[in-house]
Amino acid sequence: IAGITQAPTSQILAAGRRMTLRCTQDMRHNAMYWYRQDLGLGLRLIHYSNTAGTTGKGEVPDGYSVSRANTDDFPLTLASAVPSQTSVYFCASSVELAGGNEQFFGPGTRLTVL
Amino acid sequence: GQNIDQPTEMTATEGAIVQINCTYQTSGFNGLFWYQQHAGEAPTFLSYNVLDGLEEKGRFSSFLSRSKGYSYLLLKELQMKDSASYLCAVRDGDYKLSFGAGTTVTVRA
Repeated sequence: IAGITQAPTSQILAAGRRMTLRCTQDMRHNAMYWYRQDLGLGLRLIHYSNTAGTTGKGEVPDGYSVSRANTDDFPLTLASAVPSQTSVYFCASSVELAGGNEQFFGPGTRLTVL
Repeated sequence: GQNIDQPTEMTATEGAIVQINCTYQTSGFNGLFWYQQHAGEAPTFLSYNVLDGLEEKGRFSSFLSRSKGYSYLLLKELQMKDSASYLCAVRDGDYKLSFGAGTTVTVRA
């Protein structure tokens, strides 16, 4: 693994189903993030994690949950998907939450909820 | 909430210069980032400003005025590969990053 990876690349999901988007980084970054990107709205922060074992809510957390059991993995779960969660989801990581640390983005997961 | 404004679209000719403006109103300020995003791809980091002034990095420069809540990204000697969306992002007082909707730049031959 090099950098940050996400799985699946794309998914079509029936409304009401549970779905977990996976994110793994091998850069030993402390901070990780989940964003959704919708046309005309830009990237919006869903949840973030400052370090393993801690998580926080972003701008649009409702309907999503995250966990950070270790440094490398930061899965995002939709407990019961709804059509408004159709979006492109990006996972990102940075060395720390603060400082001039840039965020590195994964390739994204395109999710369609029908 | 945070408010970050940038133009939706800009068009320029190959070899020219384009300036993308970004204005922001946020709860606290801990730096401003510019990212480039090609269609269907992930954003990639271009620049970071935390103090007032100009940061130059090759063909790209970024300027910040904290008192005016204003930044710009300057792209010089435009190339066709520079056709992309450019995202302005501000880190607020809680160190969370808020993004503008992005400016789509089209470079024409």
